[in-house]
Amino acid sequence: GNSVTQMEGPVTLSEEAFLTINCTYTATGYPSLFWYVQYPGEGLQLLLKATKADDKGSNKGFEATYRKETTSFHLEKGSVQVSDSAVYFCALIKNTGNQFYFGTGTSLTVIP
Amino acid sequence: GAGVSQSPSNKVTEKGKDVELRCDPISGHTALYWYRQSLGQGLEFLIYFQGNSAPDKSGLPSDRFSAERTGGSVSTLTIQRTQQEDSAVYLCASSLMNLYSGANVLTFGAGSRLTVL
Repeated sequence: GNSVTQMEGPVTLSEEAFLTINCTYTATGYPSLFWYVQYPGEGLQLLLKATKADDKGSNKGFEATYRKETTSFHLEKGSVQVSDSAVYFCALIKNTGNQFYFGTGTSLTVIP
Repeated sequence: GAGVSQSPSNKVTEKGKDVELRCDPISGHTALYWYRQSLGQGLEFLIYFQGNSAPDKSGLPSDRFSAERTGGSVSTLTIQRTQQEDSAVYLCASSLMNLYSGANVLTFGAGSRLTVL
């Protein structure tokens, strides 16, 4: 079946620290991969996406590379800010379907 | 509209009562999804609409849950005889469905927080 597994949280980092949130997936075919972010009190919003192997999605200093060989899409940021505190969700959609599969979310807190 | 609107934003009800949650998607978005987000849990898929039809209802947790969509626009999620375990944030999302799946980006509403006492 199709599924997304992401690292357990919560994650607490100091400002300017390096961030990695791991995400691996199981899917048939060639899915598209996404990271969504949910800031406190808000709905989910798209952070970045990648649609084929070796693509790198990037936005707001965050990056993730679609690694088919390791079925991974890890989220990274070189220097986090307090404003990055949120819950991050990894997700996929199959290339032949309409169903989105989400991970359980990873809560990030950045302290000054 | 400019975004996905959900109402009510907060609903407190007594166990056994029926509730209706409304979602108004982005104009022109043909696909509409309902998810449930419980405390400490991820996103649980409930149901998906393409136009007015629901090709995938597999996520509805019980027959107390139902949803409809009319005019290819507004959707209502109904929970009958609510139970305390139904307490959660119910999220609606819409998408301009495209044959190219990579273009299918979900836009979420802010959610409806349901508390069943």
